[in-house]
Amino acid sequence: AQSVAQPEDQVNVAEGNPLTVKCTYSVSGNPYLFWYVQYPNRGLQFLLKYITGDNLVKGSYGFEAEFNKSQTSFHLKKPSALVSDSALYFCALNQAGTALIFGKGTTLSVSS
Amino acid sequence: DTAVSQTPKYLVTQMGNDKSIKCEQNLGHDTMYWYKQDSKKFLKIMFSYNNKELIINETVPNRFSPKSPDKAHLNLHINSLELGDSAVYFCASSQDFGGGSTDTQYFGPGTRLTVL
Repeated sequence: AQSVAQPEDQVNVAEGNPLTVKCTYSVSGNPYLFWYVQYPNRGLQFLLKYITGDNLVKGSYGFEAEFNKSQTSFHLKKPSALVSDSALYFCALNQAGTALIFGKGTTLSVSS
Repeated sequence: DTAVSQTPKYLVTQMGNDKSIKCEQNLGHDTMYWYKQDSKKFLKIMFSYNNKELIINETVPNRFSPKSPDKAHLNLHINSLELGDSAVYFCASSQDFGGGSTDTQYFGPGTRLTVL
């Protein structure tokens, strides 16, 4: 069965430092992977997606994600974190026969 | 212009009542969804409609009934509300059917339902 795992409940980084939010997946067939961000009391905003092609995907607000098929991972990254990046981040998988399957979410806290 | 909108934003009601949440998208998409986010922030699909046809119907109590009058609208009606129904309900839309699709789903702002 397909699944998405976000192994960290919370990630803490200092402003200006690089950040990584981890995601691993399990799927038979091609994975279509997405990252969304949820700010407090707001809806989910799309950041980026991997469909095929280049393993490094660039998205909104300076975020990027690296797809690694051998490690079945799709980690979200940003070279220099901002305090305003503090939010809840979701990795999601889109597989045939269902809608988005979400990970449990990772809270990113960026300190000034 | 809001792409995916939901009303109301907040809904507080008593157990046993019946309530509805409305969703509209102006993106011209063919597919709409309802997701539930529980108190632990876990998100799960409830329903999906493609061109007014029910495509996905997850294991949801039959007290929940979606209705799609046209492909731009997907409403969620809940009968006999229970305490456990308290959650945030998100509507979303995509151009194509989400199952196995590469299309991005765009989410509404959510409706926070509190059942007392």
